[in-house]
Amino acid sequence: QVQLKESGPGLVQPSQTLSLTCTVAGFSLTSYNVHWVRQPPGKGLEWMGVIWNTGGTRYNSALKSRLSISKDTSKSQVFLKMNSLQTEDTATYYCARGRGYLDYWGQGVMVTVSS
Amino acid sequence: DIQMTQSPASLSASLGETISIECRASEDIYSNLAWYQQKSGKSPQLLIYAANRLQDGVPSRFSGSGSGTQYSLKISGMQPEDEGDYFCLQGSKFPFTFGSGTKLEIK
Repeated sequence: QVQLKESGPGLVQPSQTLSLTCTVAGFSLTSYNVHWVRQPPGKGLEWMGVIWNTGGTRYNSALKSRLSISKDTSKSQVFLKMNSLQTEDTATYYCARGRGYLDYWGQGVMVTVSS
Repeated sequence: DIQMTQSPASLSASLGETISIECRASEDIYSNLAWYQQKSGKSPQLLIYAANRLQDGVPSRFSGSGSGTQYSLKISGMQPEDEGDYFCLQGSKFPFTFGSGTKLEIK
């Protein structure tokens, strides 16, 4: 069945770079797009960006200068890198399979930005 | 960016009651709207896509409607397991944007 699972550090220091991995199963990254979405504690959801099945990317302009999404199709993994982290980047980060909507989401990974 | 205005922010319903949640877009999103349920500490679960299409496995008491800029989610007969947060997502134009959410509780 379709599964997505995020992994990465739970704690990142301010000004450092966040690196997350989304490992997928049950579908091919050559056929589906994968999005990243984040949710600060007790707050709403923010769409961050997408990597198309073709490998192209699109980012939220609010994050574009800090964000990079890539993938390794052979390993069924999608990668998120975001630099210059600040405390307001503390959030649960989700990857989700998407077309015009996001149909399957990972369990999320909580990332705290703190010294 | 397309703004999604969701209402109400919270709702308390009795078992068996029918409730509605609304999302209004700041421009036409051509039915590119999805509804999700999120329970505490869990990831969002897709309920409705393309404004009115029921995701496989979702109970038929959930339904969606709307077009243009106005959309709604209806739960016909509130059940205990329907408690949670609900939000809408527009996938018409980048960046995708979400409604602010509705907290649904049992009265």
